[in-house]
Amino acid sequence: GQNIDQPTEMTATEGAIVQINCTYQTSGFNGLFWYQQHAGEAPTFLSYNVLDGLEEKGRFSSFLSRSKGYSYLLLKELQMKDSASYLCAVRGNILTGGGNKLTFGTGTQLKVEL
Amino acid sequence: ETGVTQTPRHLVMGMTNKKSLKCEQHLGHNAMYWYKQSAKKPLELMFVYSLEERVENNSVPSRFSPECPNSSHLFLHLHTLQPEDSALYLCASSQKIRRLAGESDTQYFGPGTRLTVL
Repeated sequence: GQNIDQPTEMTATEGAIVQINCTYQTSGFNGLFWYQQHAGEAPTFLSYNVLDGLEEKGRFSSFLSRSKGYSYLLLKELQMKDSASYLCAVRGNILTGGGNKLTFGTGTQLKVEL
Repeated sequence: ETGVTQTPRHLVMGMTNKKSLKCEQHLGHNAMYWYKQSAKKPLELMFVYSLEERVENNSVPSRFSPECPNSSHLFLHLHTLQPEDSALYLCASSQKIRRLAGESDTQYFGPGTRLTVL
């Protein structure tokens, strides 16, 4: 099975940088996703990591270390609209029957303040 | 707009009612999913369909009954629900259920149906 841990809440200031961590324990691994979810809305895809290292996409970057079971999402130049829940999700390994099944963390509620 | 729509957006029902949730995807995907999202809990996968065939059922109570008539539509039929079933029900779709290692095969979510069981 999978176990995903991420902080429940974080607060940051507009214009700053924030790092949201995610650790996981898994019996099979084939990729890690980050989603953003505003209250009352659909989770929207932010990033995907399957190899170790940093993936950069505009103001958002995501890092993965498979040996440490660790990922982070880095948000730069924070804006008020970045206030949302950020969900970390791990996909199981196809060889161990994981298919495209995603296991989600509880999400990190980020509040951006002036 | 993710290309996945859900109706209704809000639903209030009594424990003896029967209702259905509808999901439609306009992305040409082959796999569709139902998730349950409760307060303070992770998203829980309920059902997975690939090419209209159910491939996974995560031990969901029989009061939830899915239906996938074609690759674009997914329903969740509800009957004799309990108050603890109150939650946000999310539908998602992806290109295919089986993929090669390394492909992202991202799941795209609809806005959800906020269900309240009285």
